[in-house]
Amino acid sequence: QVQLVESGGGVVQSGRSLRLSCAASGFTFSTYGIHWVRQAPGKGLEWVAVISYDGSDKYYADSVKGRFTISRDNSKNTLYLQMNSLRVEDTAVYYCARDSRSLALDIWGQGTMVTVSS
Amino acid sequence: QSALTQPASVSGSPGQSITISCTGTSSDVGGYNYVSWYQQHPGRAPKLIIYDVSNRPSGVSNRFSGSKSGNTASLTISGLQAEDEADYYCSSYTTSTTRVFGGGTKLTVL
Repeated sequence: QVQLVESGGGVVQSGRSLRLSCAASGFTFSTYGIHWVRQAPGKGLEWVAVISYDGSDKYYADSVKGRFTISRDNSKNTLYLQMNSLRVEDTAVYYCARDSRSLALDIWGQGTMVTVSS
Repeated sequence: QSALTQPASVSGSPGQSITISCTGTSSDVGGYNYVSWYQQHPGRAPKLIIYDVSNRPSGVSNRFSGSKSGNTASLTISGLQAEDEADYYCSSYTTSTTRVFGGGTKLTVL
């Protein structure tokens, strides 16, 4: 079935780096844009970044611009989020989500938790 | 990239209808018909329930409907059921080619 599965979360100290992965299956990964969305504990959803189907276009929220990098490997059906200079306020569940043909996020992964300690 | 504005909470009794508003600007909600709504139960991933302002994905109940007027979009849930109790988020495409979410609305079914 159509599925996205995140991995790579964990506990990391402030200032360090972490790379998240999102493995896709059940659809033609290389034809869809993919987003990262995060949710801090007890808070709402915050859009983080998006990458186009071929990786040529990338856009970021101001809160992560210059620190996070979104990328993809279509040969491996995998999306990545490289997170550098992590801050306590980056603590959240990170979801990857598929960009539908109507610019909505139609398929979501189960999320991976990132905890940044001081 | 300011978040869209939603009421923090709404409530209704089973069988009633409720409406959740989502207010943005001409750079997001008012500028495009790319407003979507998501339902999130505790501990679960969000689920798309409305896209392109008023369209429902396959499998989503027709009790959910969406609309838009100017810079404000709305989600209406009719015939409230206990299973509708969840958090609801609106989202919009923006002029920056990014997305923005609302702060979320907690729906309580009394």
